[in-house]
Amino acid sequence: DIQMTQSPSTLSAFIGDRVTITCRASQSISTWLAWYQQKPGKAPKLLIYDASTLESGVPSRFSGSGSGTDFTLTINNLQADDSATYYCQQFHTFVTFGPGTKVDIK
Amino acid sequence: EVHLVESGGGLVKPGGSLRLSCSASGFTFSNAWMSWVRQAPGKGLEWVGRIKSQGDGATTDYAAPVKGRFTISRDDSKNTVYLQMSSLKIEDSAVYFCTKGARRPTTGWPQNWFDPWGQGTLVTVSS
Repeated sequence: DIQMTQSPSTLSAFIGDRVTITCRASQSISTWLAWYQQKPGKAPKLLIYDASTLESGVPSRFSGSGSGTDFTLTINNLQADDSATYYCQQFHTFVTFGPGTKVDIK
Repeated sequence: EVHLVESGGGLVKPGGSLRLSCSASGFTFSNAWMSWVRQAPGKGLEWVGRIKSQGDGATTDYAAPVKGRFTISRDDSKNTVYLQMSSLKIEDSAVYFCTKGARRPTTGWPQNWFDPWGQGTLVTVSS
């Protein structure tokens, strides 16, 4: 099974900051990676697939990069609405989610 | 608009059974690969399993913790996917989401990233 890890588990940043979340796979998954945003009590929302392709309608301040085992999600110009938990997910071999990164606004 | 609505959650005793339903609208359901994902209270997301489209054989795959206890099925005439859960354990307590697998925009090949998701239905396994 492919295991996913994320760091940090939580972070706090100011409005306007750039935030970076890291996701690591236990083996190479090429670019078979997606990112989701989940707010409390809500379903996850797709942000990015294929490691760097922005889903339609997602603000351009979100971006993804990486390949192989190491990936990043970057949020530029952090907004209050970005307060949420972010999950990476590999779909190279079935499906595995990372444990999540909670982003708070200072 | 694409819409998924889960139902059937509730309180069940350990060892019991429960069937969840997910009703879909706004897209060609028969072409879609459908997955179930769960989230225990205060925890992260866990993929439960998937059913492919009839055209791809309607085969199913399951995560190890539920294999042999859970069964996913579909009724394309009703635009509905089901999750039959049996031999339930306390650790199966979670919100269960159904979600639609994507198709790659350029080729149409099915992929296992998910959009959209239903609102979820809560399953509580407790004596």
